[in-house]
Amino acid sequence: GESVGLHLPTLSVQEGDNSIINCAYSNSASDYFIWYKQESGKGPQFIIDIRSNMDKRQGQRVTVLLNKTVKHLSLQIAATQPGDSAVYFCAENTGGFKTIFGAGTRLFVKA
Amino acid sequence: NAGVTQTPKFQVLKTGQSMTLQCAQDMNHEYMSWYRQDPGMGLRLIHYSVGAGITDQGEVPNGYNVSRSTTEDFPLRLLSAAPSQTSVYFCASSYSEGFYNEQFFGPGTRLTVL
Repeated sequence: GESVGLHLPTLSVQEGDNSIINCAYSNSASDYFIWYKQESGKGPQFIIDIRSNMDKRQGQRVTVLLNKTVKHLSLQIAATQPGDSAVYFCAENTGGFKTIFGAGTRLFVKA
Repeated sequence: NAGVTQTPKFQVLKTGQSMTLQCAQDMNHEYMSWYRQDPGMGLRLIHYSVGAGITDQGEVPNGYNVSRSTTEDFPLRLLSAAPSQTSVYFCASSYSEGFYNEQFFGPGTRLTVL
């Protein structure tokens, strides 16, 4: 069945280093992918998205890479800051209005 | 804009009780949805609406009802609460039919069913 998963449940990085959060998806028909950030006690917040006709998209300090060949998605955060500590979800849109979310990766930033 | 608001923030129910979780948005978004979030799992879609008067089921609709009488409001009703419905509930909205557009989430309602 359709699933969106994450390679690592937790990731710990030093402040100032770059972070890479990975995600695998199983539905090759998915054509829209989103990364969300969720801080403790808050709702998910949109970070960046990418359509399947793209391989890479950059935002402010964040880059999303899409490898459709191996059905892999990654989120890169440059110069990670303490405020980046949160749970990060990848999500895929498989058509219509139904978005499937992964379980999440918790990012810890060490000062 | 207040964005997406949800009330209450916390709620404790006894098994069999009913209640309504409120959700409102002031961004004139057509698409609204309800998710539940359980530990170690991603958000799962309960119900969604593409406009006033139109609703449909998501992945886990059993035990929940919704209605959409206005663009702004999308309440979620628990008909007879069960311990399995203990979860954090998020309401979200987006300004189009959901494709290629980000969803804006509310702060969540933490529900415990005893």
